Amino acid sequence: KAGVTQTPRYLIKTRGQQVTLSCSPISGHRSVSWYQQTPGQGLQFLFEYFSETQRNKGNFPGRFSGRQFSNSRSEMNVSTLELGDSALYLCASSLGTSGGSLNEQYFGPGTRLTVT
Amino acid sequence: KNEVEQSPQNLTAQEGEFITINCSYSVGISALHWLQQHPGGGIVSLFMLSSGKKKHGRLIATINIQEKHSSLHITASHPRDSAVYICAVPNYGGSQGNLIFGKGTKLSVKP
Repeated sequence: KAGVTQTPRYLIKTRGQQVTLSCSPISGHRSVSWYQQTPGQGLQFLFEYFSETQRNKGNFPGRFSGRQFSNSRSEMNVSTLELGDSALYLCASSLGTSGGSLNEQYFGPGTRLTVT
Repeated sequence: KNEVEQSPQNLTAQEGEFITINCSYSVGISALHWLQQHPGGGIVSLFMLSSGKKKHGRLIATINIQEKHSSLHITASHPRDSAVYICAVPNYGGSQGNLIFGKGTKLSVKP
């Protein structure tokens, strides 16, 4: 089976712009979770989607949003980018019948976003 | 809200040594995850456990639910084990909500 894929792998944006990141889960996985990793804060949960519905949301401002499509692919969007949004954004998929915390998660390679 | 503490933050070992990384949390949980992150960012899930012990190759993970503590052991360490090891637990305990992560233990194994 193909693993989790994320596109693009690297991205440079300027402050005030918006960005959309994409995640394709492992075939058959219905849950997709998104995480932000920075040197200062470490790994932080953004949101989890299951069957096109947001199941959990982390403590991030409304500029961060996401969605999931019927084929389980997911996108996350960050509007009005700030310098502090520079980070590695990781998505992970799981079978997801329970909440994300009870399922083994398979991570993608991440998208490294730099905001200048 | 759960809080996760990992120790040590950094660990340098010689090839062949036995390694132990510790993780403590504050709220009772139903499952704990151990993750491995290599330079370049890729994360691999090593274990998800809710009780007792799990073993995979040279890696062993244990959890003590009563003491709210888990350990990750690496036997006969090798330079390819050099990575950051991260533990993660449900944020509000039990099965609720999302995962919250420790700050990671950076392991460097010298040949």
